[in-house]
Amino acid sequence: DTGVSQDPRHKITKRGQNVTFRCDPISEHNRLYWYRQTLGQGPEFLTYFQNEAQLEKSRLLSDRFSAERPKGSFSTLEIQRTEQGDSAMYLCASSPSGSVGELFFGEGSRLTVL
Amino acid sequence: SQQGEEDPQALSIQEGENATMNCSYKTSINNLQWYRQNSGRGLVHLILIRSNEREKHSGRLRVTLDTSKKSSSLLITASRAADTASYFCATDALIQGAQKLVFGQGTRLTINP
Repeated sequence: DTGVSQDPRHKITKRGQNVTFRCDPISEHNRLYWYRQTLGQGPEFLTYFQNEAQLEKSRLLSDRFSAERPKGSFSTLEIQRTEQGDSAMYLCASSPSGSVGELFFGEGSRLTVL
Repeated sequence: SQQGEEDPQALSIQEGENATMNCSYKTSINNLQWYRQNSGRGLVHLILIRSNEREKHSGRLRVTLDTSKKSSSLLITASRAADTASYFCATDALIQGAQKLVFGQGTRLTINP
């Protein structure tokens, strides 16, 4: 299966620790998105990349969050000095270039901050 | 902030009945999409309707779009227990100078066998 894959699927960490999530998009997709979803809510946009360029970053993201997409392939999302409010599902999605059409989502990485 | 608002927030029906979910949005759009999410899983794309379309079908799904009212509906006919999931509408909104897909809060659908 060559769908979007995310790792790890689950992460439990203590407050103050750093965590990193990885996303491998569908290989021919140029666009990559990160969303955050809390329980009972819809996904909220965090950031997106066109190839290796980070084109947009939500005001929701504090300076503790950083995302990269080196070489325009996989992407990482790092959260430094985690807080309990960071507990959520972090979803990655990819799509071909062009206007905003169908997004292909991974299964998500669930973060629990104790 | 969410662009779309789904209604109802939760819906419980008997297997075989039809399920209708509604979505309202705020800004002009190029297209509107519906996604499905099983508990604890990622989202799966169901259907996309463009702003110049009024109705679209895909299997047991029927989507309508009324751009004058900024609203859409998703109808699932002859529901099955396997349709139990959360359903989200999403619109391509121009936010902070860039087009991006913005999701509503979703409708939790439960199909009772």
